Amino acid sequence: QSALTQPRSVSGSPGQSVTISCTGTGSDVGDFKYVSWYQQYPGKTPKLLILDVSKRPSEIPDRFSGSKSGNTASLTISGLQAEDEADYYCCSYAGSYTLVFGGGTKLTVL
Amino acid sequence: QVQLVQSGSEMKRPGASVKVSCKTSGYTFTTHGITWLRQARGQGLEWMGWISAYNGHTNYAQQLQGRVTMTTDKSTTTAYMELRSLTSDDTAVYYCARGDTALGEWGQGTLVTVSS
Repeated sequence: QSALTQPRSVSGSPGQSVTISCTGTGSDVGDFKYVSWYQQYPGKTPKLLILDVSKRPSEIPDRFSGSKSGNTASLTISGLQAEDEADYYCCSYAGSYTLVFGGGTKLTVL
Repeated sequence: QVQLVQSGSEMKRPGASVKVSCKTSGYTFTTHGITWLRQARGQGLEWMGWISAYNGHTNYAQQLQGRVTMTTDKSTTTAYMELRSLTSDDTAVYYCARGDTALGEWGQGTLVTVSS
């Protein structure tokens, strides 16, 4: 199973919006409504931000949103804050209880 | 609240095996699968496999087939991941997480270091 493709890094200034893309194939992102996104600070455990393409756990602020078009999923962070500086990983179900992850994107808040 | 607590760090020689435990609490164990992942230093997350806590059904990453075994113990609500024939490439932090399509709760991670 090939990894999903994410940009290695993105950046934005406080208050701006940034979008992180996640490109897969018709066998994972394009075939299932089970894309999730995780935030990870250095040395910390990943945290679920988005599940099922666009659903947010109750504790996640609505500044974080997810979407999907074809084989590409996206995570948008609006009203960027300094605390959003972290690594972000996308993940897709690929059938038969298999998951595939993206390589991760480092978000820098300028 | 849901908690997953993993066993402590391990240091192993090449060729050895390691077994990591993941003790769960705060929910009905059999209603959610357990996913295992690992992350080498400075690298991304790698999905290792999944086990149903209901019936023990497993699915492993192709690149680990034959070297990994995932099990559960319903009596202690604990999941286990055993990896055999370790090499230096297996040095990583190993995580258990609750779920199959989305991973809402994670263990704290277990550092496994493989070195001669």
